[in-house]
Amino acid sequence: GAGVSQSPRYKVAKRGQDVALRCDPISGHVSLFWYQQALGQGPEFLTYFQNEAQLDKSGLPSDRFFAERPEGSVSTLKIQRTQQEDSAVYLCASSLVVASGNNEQFFGPGTRLTVL
Amino acid sequence: GQNIDQPTEMTATEGAIVQINCTYQTSGFNGLFWYQQHAGEAPTFLSYNVLDGLEEKGRFSSFLSRSKGYSYLLLKELQMKDSASYLCAVPSTGANNLFFGTGTRLTVIP
Repeated sequence: GAGVSQSPRYKVAKRGQDVALRCDPISGHVSLFWYQQALGQGPEFLTYFQNEAQLDKSGLPSDRFFAERPEGSVSTLKIQRTQQEDSAVYLCASSLVVASGNNEQFFGPGTRLTVL
Repeated sequence: GQNIDQPTEMTATEGAIVQINCTYQTSGFNGLFWYQQHAGEAPTFLSYNVLDGLEEKGRFSSFLSRSKGYSYLLLKELQMKDSASYLCAVPSTGANNLFFGTGTRLTVIP
């Protein structure tokens, strides 16, 4: 596919369960971002990868959140011991280059996580 | 720190023109983005402004005033499909990610 894909599109978890969210970026894109979007809000930054290196994880809300991109392409966001406040849409975005400025990010459709 | 303000909701009539405003505070300005997001879908890129002035792209135009910390998105000849959230964003200071506003939910009515 030509765009960013994410799976699953919807995930329901019981409080305390672990979840894993997958992102397939556009092929060849160096940069990969994870954002969290609460209902009625804009996306909030979680973490950033340049190839396989996680260069910025300042937005991760707690140590229950972990992300990896071991081969510099597919990325997984893992949330351990999910809590109700983790309920949100998790968006993945990728961009071709590293430089800031006109660094258009291409977003996936997101995974809607609901924690009961 | 950074801050972005935009109206939460707007309503406009099909065929009309609507202006969505965005004010921002950021250090080291490096451009401003507008994204469109339909409910349940991915945000999609609309425009990027780094210089003052108006940039037109079909029915959509985006304006920037760096001295005022102000931008707007202008949508002409509104169509029902334009009902969506419009997100204003700036690159985070010293980072590669985007800092988003809360978004403006536009409803186009017949």
